[in-house]
Amino acid sequence: GENVEQHPSTLSVQEGDSAVIKCTYSDSASNYFPWYKQELGKRPQLIIDIRSNVGEKKDQRIAVTLNKTAKHFSLHITETQPEDSAVYFCAAKSNTNAGKSTFGDGTTLTVKP
Amino acid sequence: EAGVAQSPRYKIIEKRQSVAFWCNPISGHATLYWYQQILGQGPKLLIQFQNNGVVDDSQLPKDRFSAERLKGVDSTLKIQPAKLEDSAVYLCASSLASRGGEQYFGPGTRLTVT
Repeated sequence: GENVEQHPSTLSVQEGDSAVIKCTYSDSASNYFPWYKQELGKRPQLIIDIRSNVGEKKDQRIAVTLNKTAKHFSLHITETQPEDSAVYFCAAKSNTNAGKSTFGDGTTLTVKP
Repeated sequence: EAGVAQSPRYKIIEKRQSVAFWCNPISGHATLYWYQQILGQGPKLLIQFQNNGVVDDSQLPKDRFSAERLKGVDSTLKIQPAKLEDSAVYLCASSLASRGGEQYFGPGTRLTVT
């Protein structure tokens, strides 16, 4: 089955700096890669996603890049703000296996003011 | 658009007791997922329904966990009997389609087994 690894597990940056979180996946049939933000005690919420026919996608301060050959994808947050502090999860969704999603174990991002 | 609803929000039970969780997905969403999220980990898929049929339950501990979605809308997840290691947040999510579609999560049910 799919295996998703996420690094780092914790990340601390100064306000205004950039943050990068990386994920690798194992199943070449995966074709949809969402990123979720989960604030303490709240539900995961989709912040950006990318499909396998695209190499990069950007939405204001957030961008995601995908390297299908190497089976890795990354989340980039620029000009970080304290409200970006949360746990971020990557996921890989298979085009087979009924579209099953496998999540990484999360990255706790802390943005210091 | 109303979101995914779950109840109860919190539940505390003793080991060996039974518990049930309820989920109402977003109207029109054919696919419904139950995830278990243990503290410090990512959500782990327990079971996935497409309408009222099961499409993946490979990680569901079937000796104690069961789930149903009888009319293709609401779903219940049951644990009987509960173990200490079942303490987690149980998240329900739904999506329009099973492949490549955004999942919308409910607020979750925090289960504590003592």
